[in-house]
Amino acid sequence: NAGVTQTPKFQVLKTGQSMTLQCAQDMNHEYMSWYRQDPGMGLRLIHYSVGAGITDQGEVPNGYNVSRSTTEDFPLRLLSAAPSQTSVYFCASSYSGQGPGYTFGSGTRLTVV
Amino acid sequence: GNSVTQMEGPVTLSEEAFLTINCTYTATGYPSLFWYVQYPGEGLQLLLKATKADDKGSNKGFEATYRKETTSFHLEKGSVQVSDSAVYFCALMGADSNYQLIWGAGTKLIIKP
Repeated sequence: NAGVTQTPKFQVLKTGQSMTLQCAQDMNHEYMSWYRQDPGMGLRLIHYSVGAGITDQGEVPNGYNVSRSTTEDFPLRLLSAAPSQTSVYFCASSYSGQGPGYTFGSGTRLTVV
Repeated sequence: GNSVTQMEGPVTLSEEAFLTINCTYTATGYPSLFWYVQYPGEGLQLLLKATKADDKGSNKGFEATYRKETTSFHLEKGSVQVSDSAVYFCALMGADSNYQLIWGAGTKLIIKP
């Protein structure tokens, strides 16, 4: 099925561990982004990419790295997990920002203990 | 800078009631406006959008009209159902935003049978 696939759906990490959240889309979308969603704070943009080889920081980039080596994949790396990174993470993609809107993945619920 | 303000939730209604969720925005120029819906345990889905003043977006019985004079994009539905229970997000994309969406904090809607 066409769409945005995120893995894993759930993850528990210990403080200081690193991990990569995977995001893949098969719609040939040029734009991809990562958000975190915390209670009462809506969605906050972490990093985004407007095409392969191009990434930029969003509102809350500290503690996260991204790369975009292909159009399809946009992994999010947590370098050294902290309890403040406990959140639900969403990946979204779009062919044209002004056009059909974003397609979201189903999310990754991350708990850092 | 650009911003979006939504009414705080939760909003609790009985089935078949009329729904309004208020959304106002601050932006320069003529942004595009969106409503997204998030059902429990899922990612966000585009519900409707409007790209210029006086446009009305509509989908699944929901409507919202882009009001430039009041900088508003209120979401309405004439008769809600239990299945409409979800979190609703208002968002805008500035004319020069390079794909970026500015999000409201979200409004949780609870429909009781």
